[in-house]
Amino acid sequence: GESVGLHLPTLSVQEGDNSIINCAYSNSASDYFIWYKQESGKGPQFIIDIRSNMDKRQGQRVTVLLNKTVKHLSLQIAATQPGDSAVYFCAEYTGTASKLTFGTGTRLQVTL
Amino acid sequence: DGGITQSPKYLFRKEGQNVTLSCEQNLNHDAMYWYRQDPGQGLRLIYYSQIVNDFQKGDIAEGYSVSREKKESFPLTVTSAQKNPTAFYLCASSRLQAGWGGQPQHFGDGTRLSIL
Repeated sequence: GESVGLHLPTLSVQEGDNSIINCAYSNSASDYFIWYKQESGKGPQFIIDIRSNMDKRQGQRVTVLLNKTVKHLSLQIAATQPGDSAVYFCAEYTGTASKLTFGTGTRLQVTL
Repeated sequence: DGGITQSPKYLFRKEGQNVTLSCEQNLNHDAMYWYRQDPGQGLRLIYYSQIVNDFQKGDIAEGYSVSREKKESFPLTVTSAQKNPTAFYLCASSRLQAGWGGQPQHFGDGTRLSIL
């Protein structure tokens, strides 16, 4: 079945460094992708999204890259701060199913 | 401020008891969703609704029920038939997906349900 997964369950980076969180998806029909950030005890918070007609989108300190050839999504966080410590989820949307499918998440730990 | 409000934040259920989790949104979104999150796992869809008085089962609907009598409200009942209800429950809303393409879902801060 279709699934969304992450390569690394935990990522540790130093404050000020750039972070890259990766996500592989298996459904080539997916046409919309979202990155969420979830802090402990809270609901997921929308970070950035991208549609399949794009391969890059930038926000404030974040960039999402989409490689449809290898079905890979990544989230880049520039100048990582302690407040970026959280679990990050990718989610894919497939129009035929009209629903989002979520990955299991990657925990980002920012060290001082 | 616009957003999604879930209550209560913590809830305890006794054996054989039904409990209802509240979800209210003031974002004027048509679609609302309920997810279950277990430790170390992704979100799994329980039920969703795209319009008042209509809802569809998600991937793990057994042991749960919902209603959508008002656009802004989508309560979830965890029935006694749900044998493993301990989890973090998340409510979300979005603009309509179908016909609009994918839309971001916005989440509340969840209800943590435990068994007494």
